[in-house]
Amino acid sequence: KAGVTQTPRYLIKTRGQQVTLSCSPISGHRSVSWYQQTPGQGLQFLFEYFSETQRNKGNFPGRFSGRQFSNSRSEMNVSTLELGDSALYLCASSPRDYPGETQYFGPGTRLLVL
Amino acid sequence: GNSVTQMEGPVTLSEEAFLTINCTYTATGYPSLFWYVQYPGEGLQLLLKATKADDKGSNKGFEATYRKETTSFHLEKGSVQVSDSAVYFCALSVEFQGAQKLVFGQGTRLTINP
Repeated sequence: KAGVTQTPRYLIKTRGQQVTLSCSPISGHRSVSWYQQTPGQGLQFLFEYFSETQRNKGNFPGRFSGRQFSNSRSEMNVSTLELGDSALYLCASSPRDYPGETQYFGPGTRLLVL
Repeated sequence: GNSVTQMEGPVTLSEEAFLTINCTYTATGYPSLFWYVQYPGEGLQLLLKATKADDKGSNKGFEATYRKETTSFHLEKGSVQVSDSAVYFCALSVEFQGAQKLVFGQGTRLTINP
C-alpha cells in the first residue's frame, strides 16, 4: 500500500497570504490528523477529521482550518499567514481512530513565511 | 492534563554502545504509548508501541516497557548503529473531544559515531 502523501513538500509564502496544504491518507484509512512541528513548540496537534467531520481541534487560532473529502483526502488552510506559522506540517492517518491505533505519518510540508 | 517528558538531548554515543532514552508521562485514564523516529528531512515513523501496562514493544532491536507504577516508557537498545542516528519522540494517545490525539515529548536527538 502506498503511504501517506502530502503536497506540496515545500512552500514559501509572505505574511498576510493564505496557503492550502493537501494530504492523501493510506487507502482505506478514514481518520486524518494534522500536526505542526516547530523547533520551539515541538509537535502540536492541530485537528482531526473522520468521515468528513472535524471531531477535535487543538489550541490554534481560527486562521487554521481544514476539511476532509468523501475519499478521505484532507486539506488544511492557513489564512493571513504570520512569521510564526513557519513550520513543518505533518499529516497522519489511521484506519478507524480506536484507542491505541497507530497513526501513520506523511513526509510533511515545510512552510516558510517571509 | 496529559503530557510527556523526555530526556534532554542531544545524545552522542559510539557505535555498539548501549542506549537508554528516558520517557515519563502524565495522563488521565489509560493511554497507549508510542516511540516514533524522525530521520532528517522525513516525517515520523512508528518505532514501537504498547497499549497496556506491562506490555513490551519491540522493533529493530529497540525495546520499551509500559510501566504504569512509574509512569514510564523508556527506550533501550543493546548495541546502536550509525544508522540509528535520528530524533526520537515519545508520545501518548488519549481521547480528546471524542477522538484520539497524540501528545508528544520534545524529542531527543541521537547521534551515533563510528
